[in-house]
Amino acid sequence: GNSVTQMEGPVTLSEEAFLTINCTYTATGYPSLFWYVQYPGEGLQLLLKATKADDKGSNKGFEATYRKETTSFHLEKGSVQVSDSAVYFCALSEKTGGGADGLTFGKGTHLIIQP
Amino acid sequence: NAGVTQTPKFRILKIGQSMTLQCTQDMNHNYMYWYRQDPGMGLKLIYYSVGAGITDKGEVPNGYNVSRSTTEDFPLRLELAAPSQTSVYFCASSKTGLNTEAFFGQGTRLTVV
Repeated sequence: GNSVTQMEGPVTLSEEAFLTINCTYTATGYPSLFWYVQYPGEGLQLLLKATKADDKGSNKGFEATYRKETTSFHLEKGSVQVSDSAVYFCALSEKTGGGADGLTFGKGTHLIIQP
Repeated sequence: NAGVTQTPKFRILKIGQSMTLQCTQDMNHNYMYWYRQDPGMGLKLIYYSVGAGITDKGEVPNGYNVSRSTTEDFPLRLELAAPSQTSVYFCASSKTGLNTEAFFGQGTRLTVV
């Protein structure tokens, strides 16, 4: 079945540091890939997405490239801010093992940025 | 812009009680979903709907029921609450199915004691 594996947290960085959060996936076909962000006490919000191989999604200084050869979709940002502190979820969109239409999520990575 | 609205935000239930988690969206989206989020486990799909009158099971449907009588509303019913249903529940909607952005509500934190 489909699965998403992302690096465990928490990840603690200083402000202006470079960020990478690794994400790899297993899928039977050609999924779309997403990064969602969850701020404390809120629901998930779409951060960026890519729908086919070699596409790069970008938003708010974050980027991720859909790498089919390595089945990866790593999230990067050149200079993080305290306001980036949140939980980040990698997800794929393809029918699940039960045939359901829905997103398959990784476990989430808690990012903490210190001033 | 309301988006996806869930009620209640918090609830404590006793074992064996029942309740309905409400979800409504004002974006005229066809697809709606219920997920549960357990600590350190990501989100799991409970049920989903592709339009009014159509619902289907996700990965973890046992102990839950849903209905979709209108495009806007997608309530989730727990009939006999169990401690294993302690979780945070998120409702989401999307315009179409698989390759489009899902919009999430703020969640319902449910504790079963």
